[in-house]
Amino acid sequence: AQSVSQHNHHVILSEAASLELGCNYSYGGTVNLFWYVQYPGQHLQLLLKYFSGDPLVKGIKGFEAEFIKSKFSFNLRKPSVQWSDTAEYFCAVNVGTAGNKLTFGGGTRVLVKP
Amino acid sequence: EAGVTQFPSHSVIEKGQTVTLRCDPISGHDNLYWYRRVMGKEIKFLLHFVKESKQDESGMPNNRFLAERTGGTYSTLKVQPAELEDSGVYFCASRRGGASYNEQFFGPGTRLTVL
Repeated sequence: AQSVSQHNHHVILSEAASLELGCNYSYGGTVNLFWYVQYPGQHLQLLLKYFSGDPLVKGIKGFEAEFIKSKFSFNLRKPSVQWSDTAEYFCAVNVGTAGNKLTFGGGTRVLVKP
Repeated sequence: EAGVTQFPSHSVIEKGQTVTLRCDPISGHDNLYWYRRVMGKEIKFLLHFVKESKQDESGMPNNRFLAERTGGTYSTLKVQPAELEDSGVYFCASRRGGASYNEQFFGPGTRLTVL
């Protein structure tokens, strides 16, 4: 069975700082990779996803993620964060042959100080 | 397009009582998923419907949990009798058919507290 680990549980940074959230997964086959975000009081929404092609994927709100197959990683980055990026971020994977259920990491709470 | 809705948003019940959670997926989405997040832990898969059929219920914790999706539209998740460890946030998600990388759209969740 696949598993996902996110390296940081909490991150605190100031506006304009750069953000990188680590995500590693364990699964030997082909996976689809996702980053979801949950802003305070809102539902989970998709930031970006990777399923094939260019390993550097761009998502909404200036986020991007890089899939490094050799490292089983899918790290999320944003060059300059804003206060509105305060949220909880979740990395997730699914395997196409397994009904597409998502396996999530534990989440990273990001607090951006104004 | 209306999103995934869940009802109620919060539920507080006592141990031994019964609670039923409801999820209305996005219209036309054949795939419906239930997930749960226990406080401090990761979001975990419970089960997956394709239309009215249970495709995968490998994540259901035990037989106190019963999910249904009659007619392939909305779904209910009943917990009977509830135990303290059932407390958490229950998320529903829906996805249209097709490629495995198609996005799952999540509802706002139901926060269940069992006292």
